[in-house]
Amino acid sequence: DIVLTQSPALAVSLGQRATISCRASQSVSTSSYNLMHWYQQKPGEQPKLLIYDASNLASGIPVRFSGSGSGTDFTLTINPVQADDIATYYCQQSRELPITFGSGTKLEIK
Amino acid sequence: EVQLVESGGGLVQPGRSMKLSCAASGFTFSNYGMAWVRQAPTKGLEWVATISYDGSSTYYRDSVKGRFTISRDNAKSTLYLQMNSLRSEDTATYYCTREPHYFDYWGQGVMVTVSS
Repeated sequence: DIVLTQSPALAVSLGQRATISCRASQSVSTSSYNLMHWYQQKPGEQPKLLIYDASNLASGIPVRFSGSGSGTDFTLTINPVQADDIATYYCQQSRELPITFGSGTKLEIK
Repeated sequence: EVQLVESGGGLVQPGRSMKLSCAASGFTFSNYGMAWVRQAPTKGLEWVATISYDGSSTYYRDSVKGRFTISRDNAKSTLYLQMNSLRSEDTATYYCTREPHYFDYWGQGVMVTVSS
């Protein structure tokens, strides 16, 4: 199985940049696609897709969210961070089965 | 507007069965693969199973293989998850999701508690 590693928590000041990382145990990229995706989950709610294929913004998601990376190293950036962004963020790979998620990074306000 | 509405959860004893349903609307159901993703209390997300747009292909995580069956009725725009031989470790909120190879829409989730 492909293991995705995320830091458990990140504290950022409002208005600053948040950078959330996800490292895969093996490449999740093909010659055409980077098969890494990002989700936001607020307490008591279902997850919401933010970024697909590493860098594509999902429908309705603000442009202050962005994604980058290839191979085994990927990043979700939120700039600037707003109070509404307090949530847990998960990465997910679809390069091979089983589909796996990272353990989540909880974004906190400093 | 895409909507996915799960039903069928609740409390069930270990070893018993339960069937979840997910009613889909707002898109052409028969054009999309679908999946179930679960989340144990206070834990992270875990993919459970996927079914292709026409139901011809199904995929499962190892821990549910042989116990769970994912299926769909495209005429009714409904996704199902038949869960047999349930274990305490299957206790979770189960989400119905639309899956182009990521999960772009999610239902609100249904809680399944396996306990005696």
